[in-house]
Amino acid sequence: AQSVSQHNHHVILSEAASLELGCNYSYGGTVNLFWYVQYPGQHLQLLLKYFSGDPLVKGIKGFEAEFIKSKFSFNLRKPSVQWSDTAEYFCAVRDGGSQGNLIFGKGTKLSVKP
Amino acid sequence: DAGVIQSPRHEVTEMGQEVTLRCKPISGHDYLFWYRQTMMRGLELLIYFNNNVPIDDSGMPEDRFSAKMPNASFSTLKIQPSEPRDSAVYFCASSLSSRGVEKLFFGSGTQLSVL
Repeated sequence: AQSVSQHNHHVILSEAASLELGCNYSYGGTVNLFWYVQYPGQHLQLLLKYFSGDPLVKGIKGFEAEFIKSKFSFNLRKPSVQWSDTAEYFCAVRDGGSQGNLIFGKGTKLSVKP
Repeated sequence: DAGVIQSPRHEVTEMGQEVTLRCKPISGHDYLFWYRQTMMRGLELLIYFNNNVPIDDSGMPEDRFSAKMPNASFSTLKIQPSEPRDSAVYFCASSLSSRGVEKLFFGSGTQLSVL
């Protein structure tokens, strides 16, 4: 069965620090990969996704993620975080041949200190 | 479009009571998902529908949980009887399956507290 691991439960950074949130998945076939963000008091929103093509994916608000197939990883990055990036971030994977069954990681809470 | 609409936003009930959560997907979307979010287990897929038909309910924790989608614009998740361990945020999401375009839209969630 597919699974998604997010290594950090809670990350605390100061503004302007660089961010990298780890995500690893277990599935040997073609996958679709996603990062979702949940700002305090809001619902989940899509940050970025990877289906195929360039493994470096750029999303909204300056976020990017790199798909490294050999490492089964899809880490999220941002060069310089802002206080407004404080949120919970979820990595998700789906079997590339399927339309359903998105499997989420447990999430990483990011706290950015002003 | 108003997005995925869930109701109620908050639900507080006593153990043993029946709870019904409601979801209205985005018009035209043909997939609907129910997720549960807890601190311990993160986001878990409970069940999803395609064209109103349940496709995978393997995530439904036990027989106390049931979900229906009587038509393309409405779905319910029912817990009967409810237990304190069911306390969580329940999210509904919908998506449109078409070649090359896919995005999952989430509702605001229902925060359920079972006392």
